[in-house]
Amino acid sequence: QSALTQPASVSGSPGQSITISCTGTSSDVGSYNLVSWYQQHPGKAPKVMIYEGSKRPSGVSNRFSGSKSGNTASLTISGLQAEDEADYYCCSYAGISLYVFGTGTKVTVL
Amino acid sequence: EVQLVESGGGLVQPGRSLRLSCAASGFTFDDYAMHWVRQAPGKGLEWVSGISWNSGSIGYADSVKGRFTISRDNAKNSLFLQMNSLRTEDTALYYCAKGTGYRSSWFDPWGQGTLVTVSS
Repeated sequence: QSALTQPASVSGSPGQSITISCTGTSSDVGSYNLVSWYQQHPGKAPKVMIYEGSKRPSGVSNRFSGSKSGNTASLTISGLQAEDEADYYCCSYAGISLYVFGTGTKVTVL
Repeated sequence: EVQLVESGGGLVQPGRSLRLSCAASGFTFDDYAMHWVRQAPGKGLEWVSGISWNSGSIGYADSVKGRFTISRDNAKNSLFLQMNSLRTEDTALYYCAKGTGYRSSWFDPWGQGTLVTVSS
């Protein structure tokens, strides 16, 4: 159970689009379309932004979108806003009641 | 409103035990899988353990397997984590989260967490 690999930091200017990658293996990300993404502001509990690879929960802005190719999932934030500055984590089902999180990415709005 | 409230954290010496609880309300508890996720100070999220609605399916991270035991009491809408042989590296904020969707693959919502500090 190795953590999924994410870039440590990604930054962008307001209005721009950024993409965060999440690389796993054929045992987790590559085998299941069950990647979720979480946003965490300092001192707060995580909040789900994307589930099952590309679906948005009710109430989440359509500026957030998810996709997957092979062993890598991605989260794209379009029209970047100041409130998007936070830590982001991916998570994948890894079979037999197992789950694994990514290493986390700090998003900075310049 | 769905609410998860963790309790039971505190300061404990290495090698000792601690039992965490999570009280759930606002949803039909025995319809859902539940999970524990932890976050060491200044670090990322780590999935710790999960349990299906009927306790028939349970999983643990390798880092806690054999030391931690997850359980639930559906009659009391409660989730538990028995932590034995605690190590300094178990120091973290422990969140409980409701498993949602296919294979309960996404976690929503989360509680506010209970802090466990393992230190001599």
